[in-house]
Amino acid sequence: TQLLEQSPQFLSIQEGENLTVYCNSSSVFSSLQWYRQEPGEGPVLLVTVVTGGEVKKLKRLTFQFGDARKDSSLHITAAQTGDTGLYLCAGPPSRGSTLGRLYFGRGTQLTVWP
Amino acid sequence: EPEVTQTPSHQVTQMGQEVILRCVPISNHLYFYWYRQILGQKVEFLVSFYNNEISEKSEIFDDQFSVERPDGSNFTLKIRSTKLEDSAMYFCASVWDRGSYEQYFGPGTRLTVT
Repeated sequence: TQLLEQSPQFLSIQEGENLTVYCNSSSVFSSLQWYRQEPGEGPVLLVTVVTGGEVKKLKRLTFQFGDARKDSSLHITAAQTGDTGLYLCAGPPSRGSTLGRLYFGRGTQLTVWP
Repeated sequence: EPEVTQTPSHQVTQMGQEVILRCVPISNHLYFYWYRQILGQKVEFLVSFYNNEISEKSEIFDDQFSVERPDGSNFTLKIRSTKLEDSAMYFCASVWDRGSYEQYFGPGTRLTVT
């Protein structure tokens, strides 16, 4: 059983298209982080969402935290080839987690074609 | 910009041998973590470390594993007797405050056990 379910697992789109990827859980999270990972490298932190209903924008990326703090989404506007990568959501559940142990989803592998 | 560093980038070892993976966390950070990622699988928590002691460990972190902060800068993960299934990317992460949850990851060490 996955604590964090990410969908879709794979996404292949043309440059200029918009896309949304999802991160869902049946558990409440204190916060959710979105990371991007390139092959053979460590996850790079993109954003942290903390408050239910929070929306954060990072240039063409928009992150949303669900009102109940059980889910999050990442929307990319006008995707570019440089957006290609593995997008991971992670977070510490509100209950049963000490000192920030992160649970990760399996990720969404995004490929943007020119 | 401060970053987490890890050495070596790639370690090849024979089954049964001991390995030590090294990490230098960001200098003012206080909480340290090890995660691993088996090829094609999600990132998994191994252990968290604060104030020179283990705070939390997962079921993966058995007696073959140990962590140490031998000086003011290094944070190490030792695997006493490696097994084939220990082959994975190992990531070190750090955070400055337990309330932050924004863990910064190193580039990883690829461990190959033959």
